Amino acid sequence: DQQVKQNSPSLSVQEGRISILNCDYTNSMFDYFLWYKKYPAEGPTFLISISSIKDKNEDGRFTVFLNKSAKHLSLHIVPSQPGDSAVYFCAAILYQGGKLIFGQGTELSVKP
Amino acid sequence: DGGITQSPKYLFRKEGQNVTLSCEQNLNHDAMYWYRQDPGQGLRLIYYSQIVNDFQKGDIAEGYSVSREKKESFPLTVTSAQKNPTAFYLCASRPPNQPQHFGDGTRLSIL
Repeated sequence: DQQVKQNSPSLSVQEGRISILNCDYTNSMFDYFLWYKKYPAEGPTFLISISSIKDKNEDGRFTVFLNKSAKHLSLHIVPSQPGDSAVYFCAAILYQGGKLIFGQGTELSVKP
Repeated sequence: DGGITQSPKYLFRKEGQNVTLSCEQNLNHDAMYWYRQDPGQGLRLIYYSQIVNDFQKGDIAEGYSVSREKKESFPLTVTSAQKNPTAFYLCASRPPNQPQHFGDGTRLSIL
């Protein structure tokens, strides 16, 4: 039972354009969402997060949008750069214990 | 330098042997976590610990064991009961009300 889903295993974008990575969840009790970026053979690094009481959070080129009614969040990267090429995981926190539930990941490839 | 250290980066073991993966952090975090990553499946939680001398099973704890005798250390043992142990293992720690920080992982291969 996958509570957090990233239905696109891969995405290819031209440098300078917008990258949009999507994530859907099923549990309305999640109260915090995060995006992590992962390069091969390395651990994920935290990118950006959003609380369930907000619908948008922005940090430089990265913006996360949350649509609670649709149980959907998305990560926008503008403008996309070749160094953004990595696997992106969305994750949700179920309760105060900080137990993260991850999606399957989307591999982003930004082409020069 | 503060961080999470996982060693070794690559580990090979014969089938039927237990193997222990190391995770050390000098960030003074109470909470620590072990995940496993398989292709196309994202990260799945194996075990986690909120405080020294306490730990809980995650979603896929069968065939694994942990200990938390020190705040800095959260070793994971992959036992011979784990049916498919070849994977990339990630350790994380977390300060209160902050995102988890990850180590660089250990890739375990069973020969």
